[in-house]
Amino acid sequence: DIQLTQSPSSLSASVGDRVTITCRASPGISSYLAWYQQKPGKAPKLLIYAASILQTGVPSRFSGSGFGTEFTLTISSLQPEDFATYYCQQLHNYPLTFGGGTKVEI
Amino acid sequence: EVQLVESGGGLVKPGGSLRLSCGASGFTFSSYSMSWVRQVPGKGLEWVSSISISSSYIKYADSVRGRFTISRDNAENSLYLQMNSLRTDDTAVYYCARDPERYFDYWGQGTLVTVSS
Repeated sequence: DIQLTQSPSSLSASVGDRVTITCRASPGISSYLAWYQQKPGKAPKLLIYAASILQTGVPSRFSGSGFGTEFTLTISSLQPEDFATYYCQQLHNYPLTFGGGTKVEI
Repeated sequence: EVQLVESGGGLVKPGGSLRLSCGASGFTFSSYSMSWVRQVPGKGLEWVSSISISSSYIKYADSVRGRFTISRDNAENSLYLQMNSLRTDDTAVYYCARDPERYFDYWGQGTLVTVSS
């Protein structure tokens, strides 16, 4: 199975900060990675797929990059509504797997 | 507007069975693969199972293979998950999700399954 390791597991940041979350894959997964945002009590929301393609309707302050084994989700200017937990997911092969999550506290 | 609505969750004893349903609307259901993803409250996400458009391609997580069965009815715009031989570690919120290419672009609100004696 493909293992995804997210770091950090949690972080505190201020409104307006640039935030970067890392997801490492073992083995490599080309560009087959998605990112989700989940707020408490809600279903996850797709932010990015194919490592860097922004889902329709997602604010442009979110961006994704990476290839192979290392990927990043960047929030260019953190907003209060970005308080949430973020998950990466590999779509390279089955079983589909998720990272452990990164909780972003404002 | 894409909508996915799960139902069928509840409290069941270990060894029991439960059938989850997911009603879809707002898109052409028969044109998309569909999946189930679960989440133990307070924990991370776990993919459970996926089914292709015509049900010809089905995948399961090792943790549920042989106990759970995914199915769909394209005429009824519905997705199902039959869960047998339930264990306490199956306790989770179960989400159905639209699956364009092994990622999940729309999710239901989830239904809670609690396995406890």
